[in-house]
Amino acid sequence: GESVGLHLPTLSVQEGDNSIINCAYSNSASDYFIWYKQESGKGPQFIIDIRSNMDKRQGQRVTVLLNKTVKHLSLQIAATQPGDSAVYFCAEKGGSNYKLTFGKGTLLTVNP
Amino acid sequence: GAVVSQHPSWVICKSGTSVKIECRSLDFQATTMFWYRQFPKQSLMLMATSNEGSKATYEQGVEKDKFLINHASLTLSTLTVTSAHPEDSSFYICSAMGAKISGANVLTFGAGSRLTVL
Repeated sequence: GESVGLHLPTLSVQEGDNSIINCAYSNSASDYFIWYKQESGKGPQFIIDIRSNMDKRQGQRVTVLLNKTVKHLSLQIAATQPGDSAVYFCAEKGGSNYKLTFGKGTLLTVNP
Repeated sequence: GAVVSQHPSWVICKSGTSVKIECRSLDFQATTMFWYRQFPKQSLMLMATSNEGSKATYEQGVEKDKFLINHASLTLSTLTVTSAHPEDSSFYICSAMGAKISGANVLTFGAGSRLTVL
């Protein structure tokens, strides 16, 4: 969903469903993208990454899709579990020193 | 592997005092460390980039005299919030980039430090 003011976009799913979290990035020159999971009071945890020369990458239960034409990134989580509940951020890297720009984040809530 | 430790994990201080936060790479040498600030329900905002042995590069709008960054060794960077005020209360997160012995690049985040200024 769209972010309004300071409120995080939210996504609520039932346990076992698939989740899709979207992210629009800003820099067409970005060449590397990462999805992070952040639980309350903790630092970001790496989930999966993708380089700009790819359009899809799969991990364990997660898939990242990259559409450079519209500067859009998505994270798909299969068979979502309560432990997946967290805020998810996309991040883009446009230079050579791993300086990351983070997206707004999406709060995922998994209902048992 | 590739562990980054931040200390303290939380700190409460009085307005006007200075607070130092440490970021350590435990099992790799961090040539570059990044400091972020995160307000509640918001994203991470990059404050500065520090390279070992050189001055930090600050993002636009971040006061370098307010947020002192020192990266004196390949395993330690410190952020000092000087003359802290309540508006400096935030979650400060560092990340470290370097290479493991294997040669693989790593970029890892610390667990964050919660600063509350009274």
